[in-house]
Amino acid sequence: EPEVTQTPSHQVTQMGQEVILRCVPISNHLYFYWYRQILGQKVEFLVSFYNNEISEKSEIFDDQFSVERPDGSNFTLKIRSTKLEDSAMYFCASSESGTGEETQYFGPGTRLLVL
Amino acid sequence: AQSVTQPDIHITVSEGASLELRCNYSYGATPYLFWYVQSPGQGLQLLLKYFSGDTLVQGIKGFEAEFKRSQSSFNLRKPSVHWSDAAEYFCASREDSSYKLIFGSGTRLLVRP
Repeated sequence: EPEVTQTPSHQVTQMGQEVILRCVPISNHLYFYWYRQILGQKVEFLVSFYNNEISEKSEIFDDQFSVERPDGSNFTLKIRSTKLEDSAMYFCASSESGTGEETQYFGPGTRLLVL
Repeated sequence: AQSVTQPDIHITVSEGASLELRCNYSYGATPYLFWYVQSPGQGLQLLLKYFSGDTLVQGIKGFEAEFKRSQSSFNLRKPSVHWSDAAEYFCASREDSSYKLIFGSGTRLLVRP
């Protein structure tokens, strides 16, 4: 069964450094998402992406965050200057369409630790 | 604003016992509702979803959930729990006008042998 993959599984970085989290969505999917889960808190939506554009973003997704689909298979989340509070598990997801009932398929996550 | 509440942070059941995990949503119209499961080291896997029609939906791994509009609830059930069901369970909702899933805080299920 096709699945969403994410690399790396764990990332440790120093505050102020840039990190790029990578995702390979399911191959025929057109909609891509990033979510994060700070330890002990809810899974929170960050951004959705379709047709090479951001289609929706949350208030968390400020100027330090950016997303890109650099080629036909990868989808990346860049955090420009990491802060301590960016430490979280980051999940990538993809779906075939953007309709409400469409299933979003999640990857296993990247655990980011900012020191 | 739309929200999802899972009142139980932890639930412990004995293997073979029945299970019900609670989920309440707040939204004016009928939202799209989902249950996901997360095992350690794994991503979120969809168990089932509801968007219209029959209010009792069947999912994978023997799970089912019932949408009750009058109670704004979408509780997850399983008649007989297996040790492999130990995991964290997340209820989520989505509005028609939005791409984002809104998650509850999750319920961690422990299964006693």
